[in-house]
Amino acid sequence: KAGVTQTPRYLIKTRGQQVTLSCSPISGHRSVSWYQQTPGQGLQFLFEYFSETQRNKGNFPGRFSGRQFSNSRSEMNVSTLELGDSALYLCASRPRTSGSYEQYFGPGTRLTVT
Amino acid sequence: ILNVEQSPQSLHVQEGDSTNFTCSFPSSNFYALHWYRWETAKSPKALFVMTLNGDEKKKGRISATLNTKEGYSYLYIKGSQPEDSATYLCAPLISGGYQKVTFGTGTKLQVIP
Repeated sequence: KAGVTQTPRYLIKTRGQQVTLSCSPISGHRSVSWYQQTPGQGLQFLFEYFSETQRNKGNFPGRFSGRQFSNSRSEMNVSTLELGDSALYLCASRPRTSGSYEQYFGPGTRLTVT
Repeated sequence: ILNVEQSPQSLHVQEGDSTNFTCSFPSSNFYALHWYRWETAKSPKALFVMTLNGDEKKKGRISATLNTKEGYSYLYIKGSQPEDSATYLCAPLISGGYQKVTFGTGTKLQVIP
Protein backbone atom coordinates (compact mmCIF):
# COMPACT_ATOMS: atom_id res chain seq x y z
CA LYS A 1 0.00 0.00 0.00
CA ALA A 2 1.18 3.50 -0.68
CA GLY A 3 2.02 5.50 2.42
CA VAL A 4 0.66 8.79 3.62
CA THR A 5 1.49 11.60 1.23
CA GLN A 6 1.63 15.30 1.92
CA THR A 7 1.91 18.21 -0.48
CA PRO A 8 3.69 20.45 -0.78
CA ARG A 9 6.83 19.32 1.05
CA TYR A 10 8.21 22.82 1.48
CA LEU A 11 6.52 26.18 1.47
CA ILE A 12 7.60 29.75 2.08
CA LYS A 13 4.92 32.32 2.83
CA THR A 14 4.80 35.88 4.01
CA ARG A 15 3.22 37.02 7.26
CA GLY A 16 -0.47 37.76 6.77
CA GLN A 17 -0.94 35.31 3.91
CA GLN A 18 -2.88 32.11 4.13
CA VAL A 19 -1.80 28.59 3.27
CA THR A 20 -3.44 25.25 2.50
CA LEU A 21 -1.69 21.94 3.08
CA SER A 22 -2.89 18.63 1.73
CA CYS A 23 -2.73 15.09 3.07
CA SER A 24 -3.72 11.81 1.41
CA PRO A 25 -4.04 8.94 3.90
CA ILE A 26 -3.25 5.28 3.38
CA SER A 27 -5.97 3.62 1.34
CA GLY A 28 -8.71 2.38 3.66
CA HIS A 29 -7.75 4.71 6.49
CA ARG A 30 -10.60 7.02 7.35
CA SER A 31 -9.05 9.01 10.18
CA VAL A 32 -6.59 11.82 9.51
CA SER A 33 -4.87 13.83 12.22
CA TRP A 34 -2.72 16.94 11.90
CA TYR A 35 0.21 17.89 14.10
CA GLN A 36 2.54 20.85 14.37
CA GLN A 37 6.14 20.46 15.41
CA THR A 38 8.29 23.47 16.29
CA PRO A 39 11.88 23.45 17.60
CA GLY A 40 11.93 22.39 21.23
CA GLN A 41 8.30 21.27 21.18
CA GLY A 42 6.85 17.86 20.76
CA LEU A 43 4.13 17.06 18.32
CA GLN A 44 1.27 19.40 19.09
CA PHE A 45 -2.12 18.00 18.11
CA LEU A 46 -4.17 20.24 15.84
CA PHE A 47 -7.24 18.19 14.93
CA GLU A 48 -8.50 14.82 13.80
CA TYR A 49 -11.04 14.12 11.10
CA PHE A 50 -13.06 11.00 10.50
CA SER A 51 -15.74 10.57 7.86
CA GLU A 52 -15.54 14.25 6.93
CA THR A 53 -16.24 15.36 10.52
CA GLN A 54 -13.84 16.89 13.00
CA ARG A 55 -13.72 14.49 15.97
CA ASN A 56 -11.05 16.04 18.16
CA LYS A 57 -9.43 19.44 18.34
CA GLY A 58 -6.27 20.70 19.98
CA ASN A 59 -5.61 24.10 21.55
CA PHE A 60 -4.88 26.18 18.50
CA PRO A 61 -6.46 29.48 17.47
CA GLY A 62 -9.29 29.60 14.97
CA ARG A 63 -6.84 30.61 12.24
CA PHE A 64 -6.09 26.90 11.97
CA SER A 65 -8.84 24.95 10.28
CA GLY A 66 -9.21 21.77 8.33
CA ARG A 67 -11.55 19.63 6.41
CA GLN A 68 -11.83 16.12 5.09
CA PHE A 69 -13.27 14.99 1.81
CA SER A 70 -15.34 11.92 1.02
CA ASN A 71 -12.22 10.10 -0.23
CA SER A 72 -10.62 10.73 3.21
CA ARG A 73 -8.10 13.23 1.84
CA SER A 74 -7.68 16.13 4.18
CA GLU A 75 -6.61 19.74 3.93
CA MET A 76 -5.40 22.06 6.62
CA ASN A 77 -5.66 25.82 6.25
CA VAL A 78 -3.89 28.52 8.19
CA SER A 79 -5.11 32.06 7.66
CA THR A 80 -3.32 35.30 8.51
CA LEU A 81 0.03 33.60 8.93
CA GLU A 82 2.28 34.64 11.79
CA LEU A 83 6.02 34.13 12.15
CA GLY A 84 5.35 31.61 14.93
CA ASP A 85 3.47 29.39 12.49
CA SER A 86 6.79 28.37 10.94
CA ALA A 87 6.93 24.67 11.68
CA LEU A 88 6.85 21.15 10.34
CA TYR A 89 3.25 20.06 9.81
CA LEU A 90 2.67 16.34 9.89
CA CYS A 91 -0.44 14.46 9.07
CA ALA A 92 -1.10 10.91 10.17
CA SER A 93 -3.74 8.38 9.28
CA ARG A 94 -5.22 5.38 11.03
CA PRO A 95 -8.10 3.09 10.13
CA ARG A 96 -10.56 4.77 12.52
CA THR A 97 -10.63 6.94 15.61
CA SER A 98 -11.51 4.10 17.97
CA GLY A 99 -9.30 1.17 18.80
CA SER A 100 -5.61 1.09 19.60
CA TYR A 101 -4.43 1.49 16.01
CA GLU A 102 -1.11 3.19 15.63
CA GLN A 103 -0.84 6.19 13.37
CA TYR A 104 1.03 6.26 10.08
CA PHE A 105 2.74 9.54 9.39
CA GLY A 106 3.40 11.39 6.19
CA PRO A 107 6.74 13.08 5.39
CA GLY A 108 5.49 16.47 6.53
CA THR A 109 5.26 19.95 5.06
CA ARG A 110 7.93 22.39 6.19
CA LEU A 111 6.32 25.84 6.35
CA THR A 112 8.46 28.93 6.68
CA VAL A 113 6.77 32.25 7.34
CA THR A 114 8.86 35.36 6.66
CA ILE B 1 -4.83 18.60 28.12
CA LEU B 2 -3.20 15.25 28.95
CA ASN B 3 0.13 15.67 30.73
CA VAL B 4 2.63 13.28 29.16
CA GLU B 5 6.22 13.47 30.38
CA GLN B 6 9.23 11.76 28.91
CA SER B 7 12.62 11.58 30.53
CA PRO B 8 15.37 12.21 29.94
CA GLN B 9 14.92 14.82 27.21
CA SER B 10 18.15 13.76 25.57
CA LEU B 11 20.72 11.06 26.01
CA HIS B 12 24.17 10.34 24.62
CA VAL B 13 25.44 6.78 24.95
CA GLN B 14 28.38 4.86 23.58
CA GLU B 15 27.81 2.13 21.02
CA GLY B 16 27.18 -1.12 22.85
CA ASP B 17 25.72 0.50 25.96
CA SER B 18 22.22 -0.38 27.06
CA THR B 19 19.83 2.40 27.92
CA ASN B 20 16.28 3.07 28.97
CA PHE B 21 13.88 5.97 29.13
CA THR B 22 10.54 6.70 30.70
CA CYS B 23 7.10 7.87 29.66
CA SER B 24 4.74 9.05 32.43
CA PHE B 25 1.05 9.69 31.89
CA PRO B 26 -2.16 10.02 33.92
CA SER B 27 -3.42 6.54 34.70
CA SER B 28 -7.12 7.37 34.66
CA ASN B 29 -9.09 6.54 31.51
CA PHE B 30 -6.09 4.80 30.00
CA TYR B 31 -6.83 3.00 26.75
CA ALA B 32 -3.52 2.25 25.02
CA LEU B 33 0.02 3.52 24.61
CA HIS B 34 2.07 3.85 21.47
CA TRP B 35 5.84 4.17 21.17
CA TYR B 36 7.21 5.79 18.03
CA ARG B 37 10.72 6.19 16.68
CA TRP B 38 11.44 9.39 14.78
CA GLU B 39 14.70 9.43 12.85
CA THR B 40 16.08 12.68 11.46
CA ALA B 41 14.58 13.65 8.09
CA LYS B 42 12.08 10.79 8.27
CA SER B 43 8.53 10.35 9.57
CA PRO B 44 7.72 8.94 13.00
CA LYS B 45 7.13 5.20 12.82
CA ALA B 46 5.32 3.04 15.36
CA LEU B 47 7.45 0.69 17.43
CA PHE B 48 4.92 -0.76 19.85
CA VAL B 49 1.24 -0.63 20.68
CA MET B 50 0.59 -1.56 24.31
CA THR B 51 -2.79 -1.98 25.92
CA LEU B 52 -2.64 -4.20 29.00
CA ASN B 53 -1.15 -3.55 32.41
CA GLY B 54 2.04 -5.54 32.66
CA ASP B 55 2.37 -5.70 28.88
CA GLU B 56 5.87 -6.34 27.59
CA LYS B 57 6.76 -5.94 23.93
CA LYS B 58 10.03 -6.73 22.18
CA LYS B 59 11.41 -6.03 18.74
CA GLY B 60 15.00 -7.08 18.30
CA ARG B 61 17.11 -5.20 20.83
CA ILE B 62 14.29 -2.87 21.81
CA SER B 63 11.67 -3.71 24.40
CA ALA B 64 9.01 -1.87 26.36
CA THR B 65 6.99 -2.41 29.51
CA LEU B 66 3.74 -0.85 30.65
CA ASN B 67 2.31 -0.09 34.09
CA THR B 68 -1.16 1.38 33.68
CA LYS B 69 -1.91 1.49 37.41
CA GLU B 70 0.92 3.90 38.14
CA GLY B 71 0.96 5.50 34.70
CA TYR B 72 4.36 4.80 33.20
CA SER B 73 6.08 2.90 30.44
CA TYR B 74 9.75 2.11 29.99
CA LEU B 75 11.57 1.68 26.70
CA TYR B 76 14.80 -0.32 26.80
CA ILE B 77 17.50 -0.58 24.15
CA LYS B 78 20.07 -3.31 24.65
CA GLY B 79 23.50 -2.87 23.07
CA SER B 80 22.76 0.48 21.41
CA GLN B 81 23.89 0.91 17.82
CA PRO B 82 24.36 4.15 15.85
CA GLU B 83 21.24 3.33 13.83
CA ASP B 84 19.22 3.54 17.06
CA SER B 85 19.88 7.30 17.11
CA ALA B 86 16.47 8.92 16.93
CA THR B 87 13.84 10.66 18.99
CA TYR B 88 11.58 8.23 20.81
CA LEU B 89 8.03 9.43 21.38
CA CYS B 90 5.34 7.93 23.53
CA ALA B 91 1.67 8.61 22.95
CA PRO B 92 -0.95 7.45 25.44
CA LEU B 93 -4.54 7.21 24.28
CA ILE B 94 -7.34 8.03 26.67
CA SER B 95 -10.75 6.49 26.35
CA GLY B 96 -14.09 8.21 26.23
CA GLY B 97 -15.66 8.64 22.87
CA TYR B 98 -13.00 9.08 20.24
CA GLN B 99 -9.58 8.18 21.57
CA LYS B 100 -7.40 11.26 21.56
CA VAL B 101 -3.69 10.79 21.00
CA THR B 102 -1.31 13.03 22.96
CA PHE B 103 2.41 12.86 22.33
CA GLY B 104 5.15 13.37 24.86
CA THR B 105 8.02 15.72 23.97
CA GLY B 106 10.26 12.75 23.31
CA THR B 107 13.67 11.45 24.31
CA LYS B 108 16.40 12.23 21.80
CA LEU B 109 18.96 9.42 21.74
CA GLN B 110 22.40 9.83 20.20
CA VAL B 111 24.54 6.70 19.98
CA ILE B 112 28.21 7.52 19.59
CA PRO B 113 30.25 5.01 17.55
